[in-house]
Amino acid sequence: QSALTQPASVSGSPGQSITISCTGTSSDVGSYNLVSWYQQHPGKAPKLMIYEGSKRPSGVSNRFSGSKSGNTASLTISGLQAEDEADYYCCSYAGSSRVFGGGTKLTVL
Amino acid sequence: QVQLQESGPGLVKPSETLSLTCAVSGYSISSGYYWGWIRQPPGKGLEWIGSIYHSGSTYYNPSLKSRVTISVDTSKNQFSLKLSSVTAADTAVYYCARDTGIGGDFDYWGQGTLVTVSS
Repeated sequence: QSALTQPASVSGSPGQSITISCTGTSSDVGSYNLVSWYQQHPGKAPKLMIYEGSKRPSGVSNRFSGSKSGNTASLTISGLQAEDEADYYCCSYAGSSRVFGGGTKLTVL
Repeated sequence: QVQLQESGPGLVKPSETLSLTCAVSGYSISSGYYWGWIRQPPGKGLEWIGSIYHSGSTYYNPSLKSRVTISVDTSKNQFSLKLSSVTAADTAVYYCARDTGIGGDFDYWGQGTLVTVSS
């Protein structure tokens, strides 16, 4: 299985919205609406931000939203805040496997 | 609150076997869910290693399957990872996490432990 494809970096100014894409194949992202997204600050463990494509765990801001079209899933962060600066990873269910994306570094300008 | 804590040697010699344990508190492994291992080489992305169901059924990353064994000890409420024939490429922070199973997501994570492969 190959890693899902994410842009290496994205950036935005406070208050703006950004979208991070996550492209897989018909064997993972395209077959299941089961993509999760994780936020990771330096030196910290990843934190689940979106699961099952578009659901938010309790406590996660509604500024974070997820969607999917075909083999590509997306994470949108609206109303960017300084604390959103972090690395973001997507992960897809793939039957008996799970596959992560390469990660995207979000810079808040 | 579910908490996970990894433990094990921080230094392993090349060709030897890496062994880590994840102690779970705040939830009984016997109650359900899958339990997984994920690693992150320094400065790189996340890689799923494998997951185990509380009954003992295992699912491994095909690229690591020949070297990985994950086991569960419900009496101690913990699960373990063994990775054999390690090389420098296996140097990474190793995380344990609760795997929700059908959703394929990881909702609770340990803090991670750095394992360095070096002679």
